[in-house]
Parts: sequence; structure tokens; C-alpha cells
Amino acid sequence: GAGVSQTPSNKVTEKGKYVELRCDPISGHTALYWYRQSLGQGPEFLIYFQGTGAADDSGLPNDRFFAVRPEGSVSTLKIQRTERGDSAVYLCASSLTRDLDEQFFGPGTRLTVL
Amino acid sequence: GNSVTQMEGPVTLSEEAFLTINCTYTATGYPSLFWYVQYPGEGLQLLLKATKADDKGSNKGFEATYRKETTSFHLEKGSVQVSDSAVYFCALIREETSGSRLTFGEGTQLTVNP
Repeated sequence: GAGVSQTPSNKVTEKGKYVELRCDPISGHTALYWYRQSLGQGPEFLIYFQGTGAADDSGLPNDRFFAVRPEGSVSTLKIQRTERGDSAVYLCASSLTRDLDEQFFGPGTRLTVL
Repeated sequence: GNSVTQMEGPVTLSEEAFLTINCTYTATGYPSLFWYVQYPGEGLQLLLKATKADDKGSNKGFEATYRKETTSFHLEKGSVQVSDSAVYFCALIREETSGSRLTFGEGTQLTVNP
């Protein structure tokens, strides 16, 4: 079956621009996570959705970052006024429920801010 | 807060050598522990997990034992293959009331030469 998909796979933008990153979770998975992975580091948690609501957004670094999941399936991570420090691989994961179920990861979107 | 520390990499081994990648953690309560693997060009995949003290997770010849007394979850394999070349991440979940975010270590790059 289809796994978690993310688009685009690569995004190059200029400092100050707005970007949207999309995540399609596995069908039927209610929990969705966004992580950010900087070069040479492990992924860091950004935000968690249970259904349509953001249950925990404490990992978002500042108010330039925002994410939505309006129908409880696809999620979009939005970054305003991008900065060079936002360059990283943005990973999405989904799991069946919230309770210690295996998180299945997408291939990631590599964001480069020039 | 929660944290995971992995041995510094990269690690280079010859085929059929014994592998150990050290992982220690800091967390309150009783976290669940995981090893994820990232093969070149692919997304993160769960390799194995252990949910309570003294549990042993195993998969594909890899093993790790949850040691609460030493707060460790070292990854081992008796005979590595070239196809094991990848980045390995140790991670934990300390389930909070609002979801199950993964906390990752920095990752260890393993290269196995024929």
C-alpha cells in the first residue's frame, strides 16, 4: 500500500519568501507529526495532529511556522518570511493512533533558503 | 527534558564484523525506546523497539536490550553486511498527555566495506 508521501521533494526559495510543504499520510492514520532534520542531526519534533486539531505545537520554533490539517488527512506546513536558518529536511510521519504506534515516515522535503 | 545520546560516528567496518552502536538516554518515567534506520535515498524506517525494562528488540539480525539501570539501548549485530550501510538513529517516546513525540539522537553513519 501507499506510504507517507511529501511534496515537493526539494524546494529552493529566497530569504523572505513564503513556502508550503505538503504531507499525505497513510490512509486511516489519525496521528500526524512534523519533524525537522538539520544536516548531521537527528529529527526534531515540530508539531503533532490528532485528527484535525494540533494537539501539540510546542516544537514550532517561532510564529513564522504554522501547520494545518483541515480534513484530518493531508497536512500543510507553512513557513512565512523564510530565513537561511530554516534550511533543513522537513519530515512528516503518521501513525494509526497516538498510543505508541509505529510512526511511518515520508521521504522528506529538502528546503533550501538562499 | 528528554534526550538521547549516541556514540559519535561515522563507523566503518568490514563485512561480517561485529557492530555495536551505543545509545544512552535521559527521561523521566518509563520511556519506550527505538532504533530507526535511514538507508541512502530513503525515509526513516523503524528497525526495532522495546517498551519496558529488560525487553529485547530484534529485527534483521539487529538486537538491542532496554537497560534501565544504565539508561542504555545499545544496538548490536553479530555480522554486518554491505547492505547494512545506513544512518542509525536511537530514539525514545515519553508519552505525554498530548501525544507520542519521538526524541532522536544525532544519528550514527555506518559504512560496511566488502
